[in-house]
Amino acid sequence: AQSVSQHNHHVILSEAASLELGCNYSYGGTVNLFWYVQYPGQHLQLLLKYFSGDPLVKGIKGFEAEFIKSKFSFNLRKPSVQWSDTAEYFCAVVNSGGYQKVTFGTGTKLQVIP
Amino acid sequence: EPEVTQTPSHQVTQMGQEVILRCVPISNHLYFYWYRQILGQKVEFLVSFYNNEISEKSEIFDDQFSVERPDGSNFTLKIRSTKLEDSAMYFCASHLAGVSEQFFGPGTRLTVL
Repeated sequence: AQSVSQHNHHVILSEAASLELGCNYSYGGTVNLFWYVQYPGQHLQLLLKYFSGDPLVKGIKGFEAEFIKSKFSFNLRKPSVQWSDTAEYFCAVVNSGGYQKVTFGTGTKLQVIP
Repeated sequence: EPEVTQTPSHQVTQMGQEVILRCVPISNHLYFYWYRQILGQKVEFLVSFYNNEISEKSEIFDDQFSVERPDGSNFTLKIRSTKLEDSAMYFCASHLAGVSEQFFGPGTRLTVL
C-alpha cells in the first residue's frame, strides 16, 4: 500500500524566509506526485504536480518541487515566503493507472509572520 | 473554468439520522471519489466510483455508507445512521479518464450532535 510522510507538522517562518517542506512516499510502482494547499477556511487547491519528465516542477505562486526517485522524495520549496502563504500543505501520491485514489500526507501547517 | 461543486456547505444532524451529501463533478469527468478530513487530521480516501459502480473503498467505508450517481450530473454520499465520529469535512473529487489530477470540491462540513 502506498503511504506518504511529511516530516514537519508545523513550520513558522518570517516573511522573505526560504521554505522547504519534506515529503517522502513509499510505493513500489510508478507514481504521480502532488502538492495541495488548503488556505484557512478554503478547499484543497493544487499547487503543482509531477507525472514524468523534468524532476523539477514549478507550480503556482512561486512554488517548486523536486522529485528525487532514489530518495522517494518530493520536497516543496519556495525561495521567499509571504504572509499570504500561511496555509496547510499536503503532499499526495497517486499510483499511475487504474482507479487513482489519492493518498495524502498528514499535512504541514505553515505560519508566516509579517 | 469548470469546477466541482458540493452542497450543502455545512450540515448539522443528530446522531442516528441519515444524511446525503451532494456533489456535482466536472461534466466530462468519468472517475469520482469521496474523501473525508476529520478536524486536525489528514485527508482520507473513502471510495472511488467508475462506470456506475464502486471501484475501490477503504475500511472506513462500511455498510453505513453508500454512493450513487442518480442522474448524469450528481454524485451522492449517503450515511445511513450517523455517528459522532462521522463529523468531518467531506470532499468530492473527479477526474478524466487516464488523467491523474483530481479536482476537488469545496467540501461539506458535517457535524453530528
